Order: sequence, then structure tokens, then C-alpha cells
Amino acid sequence: EAGVTQSPTHLIKTRGQQVTLRCSPISGHTSVYWYQQALGLGLQFLLWYDEGEERNRGNFPPRFSGRQFPNYSSELNVNALELEDSALYLCASSGLGLDTQYFGPGTRLTVL
Amino acid sequence: GQNIDQPTEMTATEGAIVQINCTYQTSGFNGLFWYQQHAGEAPTFLSYNVLDGLEEKGRFSSFLSRSKGYSYLLLKELQMKDSASYLCAVVRSNSGNTPLVFGKGTRLSVIA
Repeated sequence: EAGVTQSPTHLIKTRGQQVTLRCSPISGHTSVYWYQQALGLGLQFLLWYDEGEERNRGNFPPRFSGRQFPNYSSELNVNALELEDSALYLCASSGLGLDTQYFGPGTRLTVL
Repeated sequence: GQNIDQPTEMTATEGAIVQINCTYQTSGFNGLFWYQQHAGEAPTFLSYNVLDGLEEKGRFSSFLSRSKGYSYLLLKELQMKDSASYLCAVVRSNSGNTPLVFGKGTRLSVIA
């Protein structure tokens, strides 16, 4: 069974640009979570989608947004990129109820 | 607020036993996860504790004391491949899926 997949693997952007990251959850999982892992800071929760709806949002500015599609895949959009947005962006998925979150390989974003 | 503390780094010898501690102070608690993350890779699920006590799974065991806000991950018969970061994550709510609150992780180096 395929795990969580993310694309692209790596991305280099410049300040002010916009980026879209993609995530496909494990088949049968309806919840998708986005986390940012910046150097030395640990995983920070960004967004949680379930059944197409945004369920919760972390302490990030509005230029971080996303959506979940009917097939439960998800996009994370970041507008007006700043240098401190450079990080590993991890997507995780889980099934119904209080279930383990399984992580994708991440997208490494570098903002120059 | 949410506060999860782990040691930043630990070093242990191949074949030995190591205990990685995690203390937490969170608004609401409904379980604690341990994840392993090799450099540049996604976190992978190790264990989940929701009740007090020890959960054993092969070479890895995890312990939880809810009254003390404390957990540890015990790794036995250390192997070089166990060199990784170990992430402690708390589930804050008992109302279904909620984002995990992560500690900054403990980087374990296993030496010969």
C-alpha cells in the first residue's frame, strides 16, 4: 500500500514569490495535516483538513493557506515568500477517530 | 500554553540501552506519540501511549505517567541505524483527530 506522497521534493524560490506544495494521503485516510519543520525549531502545526474542510489552523499568517480536494489530496499555498519560510514542509494523513498520523517524505523549500 | 521538553542531543554506544525523556505541559491530553526521524526523511511512527505504564515493542519501549506529565522512550541493543532524531508529540484533545504538538526532538548518535 502506498504511503503519503508529496511533491515536489525540493523547491527553490526567491522572496516575494508564491509556492504550491502537494500531498496525497494514504488511501482511505480523510484527514491531512501540514507541518513546517524549520532548522532547530521542531515540527510546527500549520493546517488540518478533513473531508474537504479546514478543521484547525496553527499560529501562522494568512499567507499560508491550503485546500483539500474531493479525493482527499491537499495543497499548501504560501504567498509572498519570506526568507524564514525556508523549511521542510511535511504532510501527514490519518484515518477516522484518534488515529496515528503517517508522514510523507516532505518538500524542502529554500527561499533566497 | 503548550510546552514539550526533550533533551537536544544524546550519545550512546552500540549494543547499549538509552532512555530518551519527554516532559509535557499541555492544555488537554489524550495520548503521546513517539516518532523516529532520520536526517532528511519523514518521521515514522514508533509508539502511542494513552494509559499509564510501559508499552513494549521489540527493542523499543515507551512509558507514560500522566500524573507527572512524563514519558520516555527506551531503546535496547542499540544499533548504528538507530542514530536519528526522536520526536515526542502530544495529542491535546479527546475529541477525535487533532493536531499533534511536537517537542523539538532528541538527536541520538550511536557510536561504536
